[in-house]
Amino acid sequence: QSALTQPRSVSGSPGQSVTISCTGTSSDVGGYNYVSWYQQHPGKAPKLMIYDVSKRPSGVPDRFSGSKSGNTASLTISGLQAEDEADYYCCSYAGSYTGYVFGTGTKVTVL
Amino acid sequence: EVQLVETGGGLIQPGGSLRLSCAASGFTVSSNYMSWVRQAPGKGLEWVSVIYSGGSTYYADSVKGRFTISRDNSKNTLYLQMNSLRAEDTAVYYCARVLRVAATGGWFDPWGQGTLVTVSS
Repeated sequence: QSALTQPRSVSGSPGQSVTISCTGTSSDVGGYNYVSWYQQHPGKAPKLMIYDVSKRPSGVPDRFSGSKSGNTASLTISGLQAEDEADYYCCSYAGSYTGYVFGTGTKVTVL
Repeated sequence: EVQLVETGGGLIQPGGSLRLSCAASGFTVSSNYMSWVRQAPGKGLEWVSVIYSGGSTYYADSVKGRFTISRDNSKNTLYLQMNSLRAEDTAVYYCARVLRVAATGGWFDPWGQGTLVTVSS
């Protein structure tokens, strides 16, 4: 199972919006509405930011939003803040036998 | 508070074995799907294995036949038995609860702090 494809890095100034894409196949992203997104700061464990494509857990700011079209999911961070600087990973369910597949990861830099 | 704490990592020679533990608090391991995810140094996340509440287990191709996921209900603890270890298994290993609405799918929350496994001679 190949990793989902994410851009290596994205950047934006405080207050701007950035969007991270996550491209898979019809066997994972395109086949299920089970895409989740995780934020990871250096040396820390990942933190859930979005689940089931577009749902936000309690405690996650509403400037984080998710969507999906075909085989590509996206995470948008609106009103970028300094604390949003981190690595972000998408993840998709890919069936019982394949399990789950993560994206390659995107480093978000706040300029 | 829902919490996961991994232990058992360390330095091990190629071909060796190691068992990781993940102690849970604030919820019951046996009633949930539980998973292991790893991250090689400087690399991305890689899903390793999942155990369903009913006991079914699934593995990534990279560890199939070498790793075994299990749980001890009396200790509310998840395990990962790792045999025939290779240099490419060097990573921080995280355990995570898999939350879901349906029988399939799901998302990982929370995650433990991770334990480092280094496979080297």
